[in-house]
Amino acid sequence: AQSVSQHNHHVILSEAASLELGCNYSYGGTVNLFWYVQYPGQHLQLLLKYFSGDPLVKGIKGFEAEFIKSKFSFNLRKPSVQWSDTAEYFCAVFMDTGRRALTFGSGTRLQVQP
Amino acid sequence: DAGVIQSPRHEVTEMGQEVTLRCKPISGHNSLFWYRQTMMRGLELLIYFNNNVPIDDSGMPEDRFSAKMPNASFSTLKIQPSEPRDSAVYFCASSWTSGGEDTQYFGPGTRLTVL
Repeated sequence: AQSVSQHNHHVILSEAASLELGCNYSYGGTVNLFWYVQYPGQHLQLLLKYFSGDPLVKGIKGFEAEFIKSKFSFNLRKPSVQWSDTAEYFCAVFMDTGRRALTFGSGTRLQVQP
Repeated sequence: DAGVIQSPRHEVTEMGQEVTLRCKPISGHNSLFWYRQTMMRGLELLIYFNNNVPIDDSGMPEDRFSAKMPNASFSTLKIQPSEPRDSAVYFCASSWTSGGEDTQYFGPGTRLTVL
């Protein structure tokens, strides 16, 4: 079955540290890829998305992600995190199986310490 | 644009009661999705509609759950009777589906507690 894996469940960083969150999916067909962020008590907000073209995509708030097709990965990066980046991050994949729905990873809780 | 609107934001009810969650999608969007978020299972799709028609309800847990979309601007998710294990945050999302490149936008969610 198709699945999305986020191996880092809880990450703790100090401000100004660099961030990389892993996302891998298991599906050999065409995919659209998304990262969503959920701040405490709030709803999911779109950080960035990849449909086609340049595999390095830039999103809001200084985040970027790189699609590596050969590795079935879409890792999220930020060069220097801030305390306000404390949130839960979800990778989501749309797979062209005919089922028009996102498959979400289990999420990574990021805690940034001042 | 007001974004996806959900009501109520919080609902506390007793086991056995009927619960109705409401969603207004973004104007112009033609697809609507209901998700449930729990600590144990994460985010899981319950059902989605395209052009007001239910397309995939394979994620609906059991017959106690039902969803309707009577028009393009309104959807409901009903649980009858509710059980404590239904306690979760229920999100509604909408998108404009065309050519496969659609982006889902989420509402603020309804936090349901069944006592």
